[in-house]
Amino acid sequence: DARVTQTPRDKVTEMGQEVTMRCQPILGHNTVFWYRQTMMQGLELLAYFRNRAPLDDSGMPKDRFSAEMPDATLATLKIQPSEPRDSAVYFCASGLGTSGYNEQFFGPGTRLTVL
Amino acid sequence: TQLLEQSPQFLSIQEGENLTVYCNSSSVFSSLQWYRQEPGEGPVLLVTVVTGGEVKKLKRLTFQFGDARKDSSLHITAAQPGDTGLYLCALGSTLGRLYFGRGTQLTVWP
Repeated sequence: DARVTQTPRDKVTEMGQEVTMRCQPILGHNTVFWYRQTMMQGLELLAYFRNRAPLDDSGMPKDRFSAEMPDATLATLKIQPSEPRDSAVYFCASGLGTSGYNEQFFGPGTRLTVL
Repeated sequence: TQLLEQSPQFLSIQEGENLTVYCNSSSVFSSLQWYRQEPGEGPVLLVTVVTGGEVKKLKRLTFQFGDARKDSSLHITAAQPGDTGLYLCALGSTLGRLYFGRGTQLTVWP
């Protein structure tokens, strides 16, 4: 049963600390997305990759957020330094192809709380 | 400004009732997807609609795409507690990304 996995599932940290979230996409999927979900803004796209190359990271605050794909089985999202307004659930999703018709498969999310 | 507007934002009903939720945009969609998200989980795809006027059924769920491809609706017949969740519509782009609405939070009470 192929699934997207994310670690950690929950993270509580203090303002100013570095946070790293990890995602393992479904094997064979060539597109990886990072989303942030809050009550106020809903589900927002932060960045996405195709064949490990960044396609769009315009949704991400560049000064503190960075997203990478060191290899095809791992995507990372880092926040440094973290701020209370970064508290949210962060989802990774993976999929195939280049079309908006294609299904995105979401992981269970990382719930981040920045105190 | 949201590209997609979903209504209602919250809906609380009794088991057995019927309901309809809506997804609207001022732009024409090339395709639209509906996802359901349960607490503590990521969204899961329910359906993709592509053709104006298209109707798709998934058991007790009926999805309709407007003729002008600017709106969509999801109708649930005889709702059950297992239908509880956040229903999200998403607009697809040719580059493969999705634009999500804020969702309708549905609660079905036994």
